[in-house]
Amino acid sequence: EPEVTQTPSHQVTQMGQEVILRCVPISNHLYFYWYRQILGQKVEFLVSFYNNEISEKSEIFDDQFSVERPDGSNFTLKIRSTKLEDSAMYFCASSGRDRRLSGANVLTFGAGSRLTVL
Amino acid sequence: AQSVTQLGSHVSVSEGALVLLRCNYSSSVPPYLFWYVQYPNQGLQLLLKYTSAATLVKGINGFEAEFKKSETSFHLTKPSAHMSDAAEYFCAVSNTGTASKLTFGTGTRLQVTL
Repeated sequence: EPEVTQTPSHQVTQMGQEVILRCVPISNHLYFYWYRQILGQKVEFLVSFYNNEISEKSEIFDDQFSVERPDGSNFTLKIRSTKLEDSAMYFCASSGRDRRLSGANVLTFGAGSRLTVL
Repeated sequence: AQSVTQLGSHVSVSEGALVLLRCNYSSSVPPYLFWYVQYPNQGLQLLLKYTSAATLVKGINGFEAEFKKSETSFHLTKPSAHMSDAAEYFCAVSNTGTASKLTFGTGTRLQVTL
């Protein structure tokens, strides 16, 4: 069964450092997402990406965050200058339904990348 | 705005007993509703979804959920718990107008005991 893969599984970084989290979505999917889960809290939407641009982002997704799809297969989340409160599990997801069609997108999630900021 | 509330952060059942995980939603438009499961060190896996068709939805691993508009609920049930069901379960809602964005509940950790 196709899956979304994320690397690294765990990254430890110093506050103020840049971090790039990588994701390989399912190959024929059109929509890509990042969510995060701070320990003990809800899974929160960060950003969605379609047709090489951000389609929606949350208040959490400020100027410190950026996403790109550099090579048509990888989908990356960059945190420019990490803060302690960025420590969380970051989930990548992808979905395949064309937005012109009715019905709900079904998201396939990766296993997550745990980011620890010291 | 839309939201989901999961009652009970931890639920413990005996193997073979009924599993009932509660989810109530709030949405200004007809919602799409989902249950995801997260096993240790794994990603979120879709269990089942409600998309305005049948109100009783059957999912994988013997789970099902019933959409009750009058109660704004989408509780997850399984008649007989198995040890392998131990995991974290998340209810989520999306707006039919922006189907991509999921709003999750806080999750319920299911423990299954012998």
